[in-house]
Amino acid sequence: QKEVEQNSGPLSVPEGAIASLNCTYSDRGSQSFFWYRQYSGKSPELIMSIYSNGDKEDGRFTAQLNKASQYVSLLIRDSQPSDSATYLCAVDTGRRALTFGSGTRLQVQP
Amino acid sequence: GAVVSQHPSWVICKSGTSVKIECRSLDFQATTMFWYRQFPKQSLMLMATSNEGSKATYEQGVEKDKFLINHASLTLSTLTVTSAHPEDSSFYICSAGRLAGAPDTQYFGPGTRLTVL
Repeated sequence: QKEVEQNSGPLSVPEGAIASLNCTYSDRGSQSFFWYRQYSGKSPELIMSIYSNGDKEDGRFTAQLNKASQYVSLLIRDSQPSDSATYLCAVDTGRRALTFGSGTRLQVQP
Repeated sequence: GAVVSQHPSWVICKSGTSVKIECRSLDFQATTMFWYRQFPKQSLMLMATSNEGSKATYEQGVEKDKFLINHASLTLSTLTVTSAHPEDSSFYICSAGRLAGAPDTQYFGPGTRLTVL
């Protein structure tokens, strides 16, 4: 079982819609959770971090964490074509290095 | 704030040569830096954790004698790929954490694309 799992996609949504990205992790001791956006040929860019159960909102982005279900999600409201990228879920199991999922490719159709 | 730079951004070299990649935190001190590698259409894989003033910790399967890491100061870590071969061609990305010992956020450098001919 992979430590961090994501659906590779592509996830295709129309412009203006809500995009929902999901991630599960296997290590119950995981403490910190991150969503990164990566454009082709570029390095990851931090979007959100979340440490406790519940929702965390930042602009059009909402991260949701459920430690009991070992599940993290990212919602993108009012999706824009510029949001088209690969979204990486990353987990810190306590040793500060990040374990990444394989990423979900999001396509926002204009 | 929290800017991390890498140099060079890309490099092409002949098989058998060594390549040094620099990672700098420009506006903060990073006691720990991390080196990742990303092959095409794959996710980032951690290679090693670099702590200032001490030896790096390598992930299983990463040859420490091939990938030399030096963390000489709180703002600079270097990765040297020794005797590079075509299979070492990849996107190398460093990251730096702002705080030691606390849940912190890692900020990534722009990456270095290495092509070994």
